[in-house]
Amino acid sequence: QKEVEQDPGPLSVPEGAIVSLNCTYSNSAFQYFMWYRQYSRKGPELLMYTYSSGNKEDGRFTAQVDKSSKYISLFIRDSQPSDSATYLCAMTKGGSEKLVFGKGTKLTVNP
Amino acid sequence: NAGVMQNPRHLVRRRGQEARLRCSPMKGHSHVYWYRQLPEEGLKFMVYLQKENIIDESGMPKERFSAEFPKEGPSILRIQQVVRGDSAAYFCASSPLEANYGYTFGSGTRLTVV
Repeated sequence: QKEVEQDPGPLSVPEGAIVSLNCTYSNSAFQYFMWYRQYSRKGPELLMYTYSSGNKEDGRFTAQVDKSSKYISLFIRDSQPSDSATYLCAMTKGGSEKLVFGKGTKLTVNP
Repeated sequence: NAGVMQNPRHLVRRRGQEARLRCSPMKGHSHVYWYRQLPEEGLKFMVYLQKENIIDESGMPKERFSAEFPKEGPSILRIQQVVRGDSAAYFCASSPLEANYGYTFGSGTRLTVV
């Protein structure tokens, strides 16, 4: 079993839709959770960073962590064509510098 | 304030040649991380360095790969005697602090081995 599982998609939605992206993980030691956005031929860009369980909101983006289920989510409200990218979840244990990434979900938002 | 600079953006090497990938961290960042992204795979950690020190190289292949971050100049990821399986995108990230997971990534070097 991989440490982090993420459905690669692709996911295609119309503009304005609510998008839900998810990752599951197996290592209960993970405490820090991140979502990165990666445009084609670019480096990953940090979107959201959360510690432990709960919700965090930033503009149109909401990150959710459920440690009891080992499940994290990223919600995008009022999706825009500019949100079209690959979304990567990442996580790490406390005291470790090593991020473990999911494979990424490719999202296309159609105008 | 320039971001993390990686060069070259694209690198083509024949099998058996050496590849040198360079990474200049953001100004004021003393922690550098290298990740590799194989086709259809997620990013995989390779190595974490601070100035003149390799802190964690647990993700580095045991042979042919090495990394350094000298006191002056960029961090270098070196791959000797490249093979086709080394073809990938190599990303560098930097951070100003230890355990600051909001890394800033560069745009990557895409290595193609022919």
